[in-house]
Amino acid sequence: RKEVEQDPGPFNVPEGATVAFNCTYSNSASQSFFWYRQDCRKEPKLLMSVYSSGNEDGRFTAQLNRASQYISLLIRDSKLSDSATYLCVVTTPLYNFNKFYFGSGTKLNVKP
Amino acid sequence: DAGVTQSPTHLIKTRGQQVTLRCSPISGHKSVSWYQQVLGQGPQFIFQYYEKEERGRGNFPDRFSARQFPNYSSELNVNALLLGDSALYLCASSLDPTGDYPYEQYFGPGTRLTVT
Repeated sequence: RKEVEQDPGPFNVPEGATVAFNCTYSNSASQSFFWYRQDCRKEPKLLMSVYSSGNEDGRFTAQLNRASQYISLLIRDSKLSDSATYLCVVTTPLYNFNKFYFGSGTKLNVKP
Repeated sequence: DAGVTQSPTHLIKTRGQQVTLRCSPISGHKSVSWYQQVLGQGPQFIFQYYEKEERGRGNFPDRFSARQFPNYSSELNVNALLLGDSALYLCASSLDPTGDYPYEQYFGPGTRLTVT
């Protein structure tokens, strides 16, 4: 079983739409959670950390459900520039370091 | 401040050759991690270094090796290249990967390796 699973999409939405992505993780010991965005043939860029209480950054809201082991990302009022692949990341403590596990990503296409 | 830098940007090698990729972390960051990303997948963890020591290694063969220098820059070496090693190699730096809640990682632009 993969450590982190995401729906690959693509999600095709019109400008102004609200779109939500979910991500599940398998290890209950996972401690930290992040969302990254990756544009085609570019490096991943940190979008936001995900806190237990949930957090918001402008049009973006992230939620964490530890009991069900999933993380969500909500994008409101989608812009053309939001088109990218969104990577869910969890960290799991191993014997002497924290390993970052990346999902395969969910592709978002925002259409005019 | 400069972000994470990597060199070279692109590289074409032949099967059986060896390659060295370089990374300089963000100033003040003492940890470097290396990832391999193939098309359609998320980055796969190769190595993590902190304070010049290897802290973790992913499921990659011994052909892959790395080191971190006193200035916290790092090199990834791959020997006896195979066609399947063709990928984007990403370096990520962070302040401190230890502790219960590790700091976020920041990625460099990557080195695109093509093995023919």
